Amino acid sequence: AQSVTQPDIHITVSEGASLELRCNYSYGATPYLFWYVQSPGQGLQLLLKYFSGDTLVQGIKGFEAEFKRSQSSFNLRKPSVHWSDAAEYFCAVGGLMNTGFQKLVFGTGTRLLVSP
Amino acid sequence: NAGVMQNPRHLVRRRGQEARLRCSPMKGHSHVYWYRQLPEEGLKFMVYLQKENIIDESGMPKERFSAEFPKEGPSILRIQQVVRGDSAAYFCASSPMTRTGSGNTIYFGEGSWLTVV
Repeated sequence: AQSVTQPDIHITVSEGASLELRCNYSYGATPYLFWYVQSPGQGLQLLLKYFSGDTLVQGIKGFEAEFKRSQSSFNLRKPSVHWSDAAEYFCAVGGLMNTGFQKLVFGTGTRLLVSP
Repeated sequence: NAGVMQNPRHLVRRRGQEARLRCSPMKGHSHVYWYRQLPEEGLKFMVYLQKENIIDESGMPKERFSAEFPKEGPSILRIQQVVRGDSAAYFCASSPMTRTGSGNTIYFGEGSWLTVV
């Protein structure tokens, strides 16, 4: 069965510092991997996705993530965090089901706090 | 180019009432998904629909919950006889027709926050 683990519930980073949010997944085939960001009371915005090809993917707002099959990881990184990045970040893994649709399984999220 | 539209954004219901949440997918998208986010938790898959068909409802509670995606109009998630435990954010998502062997991006709406009092 698919599963996603985000081991850090909260992370606090100083503005301007680098960021890495961890994501580990369990999936029996080639996974489709996503990072979404959610501000309080808002919906989910897609930051980036990995389907195939280059294992380092670039996303919006200066984020990137690296797919490491050997470690079953898809960690999200940003070299310099801005105060506006404070939000909840969700990693998700998806795959095509027999019925032909893509079902996403989400991690429990990591709340990012940015200190001045 | 409108995104996934959900309404109402916020809904308050008393225990025992019915809640109806509506979702219009992005233009050109024929697949609709409903997810539920309980407080302090991630999103959990509920149901996947195509026009006039429920394809996978493995995440739907066995009772009181139903979903439809009619030929015309939005998708509806219906919760009958709501209880306090139904209080959550309900997210609709849509994607274009899935191509075998490849993935598709799933786009989420802004969510509908249900509060049961």
